[in-house]
Amino acid sequence: KAGVTQTPRYLIKTRGQQVTLSCSPISGHRSVSWYQQTPGQGLQFLFEYFSETQRNKGNFPGRFSGRQFSNSRSEMNVSTLELGDSALYLCASSLGLAGGSSYEQYFGPGTRLTVT
Amino acid sequence: LAKTTQPISMDSYEGQEVNITCSHNNIATNDYITWYQQFPSQGPRFIIQGYKTKVTNEVASLFIPADRKSSTLSLPRVSLSDTAVYYCLVGDIYDTGGFKTIFGAGTRLFVKA
Repeated sequence: KAGVTQTPRYLIKTRGQQVTLSCSPISGHRSVSWYQQTPGQGLQFLFEYFSETQRNKGNFPGRFSGRQFSNSRSEMNVSTLELGDSALYLCASSLGLAGGSSYEQYFGPGTRLTVT
Repeated sequence: LAKTTQPISMDSYEGQEVNITCSHNNIATNDYITWYQQFPSQGPRFIIQGYKTKVTNEVASLFIPADRKSSTLSLPRVSLSDTAVYYCLVGDIYDTGGFKTIFGAGTRLFVKA
């Protein structure tokens, strides 16, 4: 079974621009979660989508948004990029709703975003 | 309030058994204990999960005492390729916005030849 895939793998953007990242979950998985990882803050939860609805949300500003499609694929958008948004963005899929459950999460390789 | 506490780093040698202990004094009745492994520039990988007593799979063992206030991940006969960060997760934080999975700082294991 194919794992979680993320595109693109690397991205360089300029401050003020916006960016869209894509995540394809493992076949049959209905939940997709997004995380931001930086050296200073570690792995931080952004949000989780299940059945096309955002079910759980972390403590990030409204510039960070996402959506999920009927085939469970998900996109994450960051508008008005700031230098501090430079990070590894990871998505994870799980069979069921991960938040508040014991469902294990399967992570993709991440998208490395650099904001200049 | 951190849900878990684990050592920042540990060193070991190839072939040794490594035990990483995680403290979770405020674990809730329905919380499971889950461990993930992460290599640089990769996403975390699920290692093992348990609720109580002992769980073993082909990669590791997880020991959980009766009070469940701590747990120990045991990696038998580590190799250089086990050098990674290991995260202990216990339940999720629930507040405005719903559930939030908290990874914490993890334990950086360095295996030497």
